[in-house]
Amino acid sequence: DTAVSQTPKYLVTQMGNDKSIKCEQNLGHDTMYWYKQDSKKFLKIMFSYNNKELIINETVPNRFSPKSPDKAHLNLHINSLELGDSAVYFCASSQLPGSLSNEQFFGPGTRLTVL
Amino acid sequence: GQQLNQSPQSMFIQEGEDVSMNCTSSSIFNTWLWYKQDPGEGPVLLIALYKAGELTSNGRLTAQFGITRKDSFLNISASIPSDVGIYFCAGRRSNFGNEKLTFGTGTRLTIIP
Repeated sequence: DTAVSQTPKYLVTQMGNDKSIKCEQNLGHDTMYWYKQDSKKFLKIMFSYNNKELIINETVPNRFSPKSPDKAHLNLHINSLELGDSAVYFCASSQLPGSLSNEQFFGPGTRLTVL
Repeated sequence: GQQLNQSPQSMFIQEGEDVSMNCTSSSIFNTWLWYKQDPGEGPVLLIALYKAGELTSNGRLTAQFGITRKDSFLNISASIPSDVGIYFCAGRRSNFGNEKLTFGTGTRLTIIP
């Protein structure tokens, strides 16, 4: 199936730990994103990579570090996890130019719970 | 950061009713998108709009790109149980596919049995 996939689906961890979330897309898109969805369901962009190059870096603590080994993968590493990092993290991908099939397609999300 | 305001915040309707929701912005966007999110899933793209005044349909869903480029509307006709979920609008300043999307606050649709 063509899709955006994320692992893991659920992640429960202790405060202070370091964790990674992985994302892969097989849509052939050039651009990938990470979003954070808070408890009120508000979706906010965190990062965007185009062909392995960082193009969007919103105001995010530097404990969050994205890594793109190739254009089909964008991983998110989080250091020294804090309670406020608990949220659902979504990966998405898109392509130029804008048309329905090139717009942002989202993965299923990773629910991160920091205890 | 900027949010798009969606209205209403939530809707409780009976099956078969038509639904209307809107999204407004204080600044201009040149692309408007509508997504639906089911519980435990990621948002799924429903409709994309690229020109002011454009009216686009996807089955029972119809969306319009407002003439002022500061708003967009989504209508669902003859609602069915699988329409339940959260609907998000999203705006982008350009027509380019890889620029930042700004998401709305969401409209939660519930169908009363």
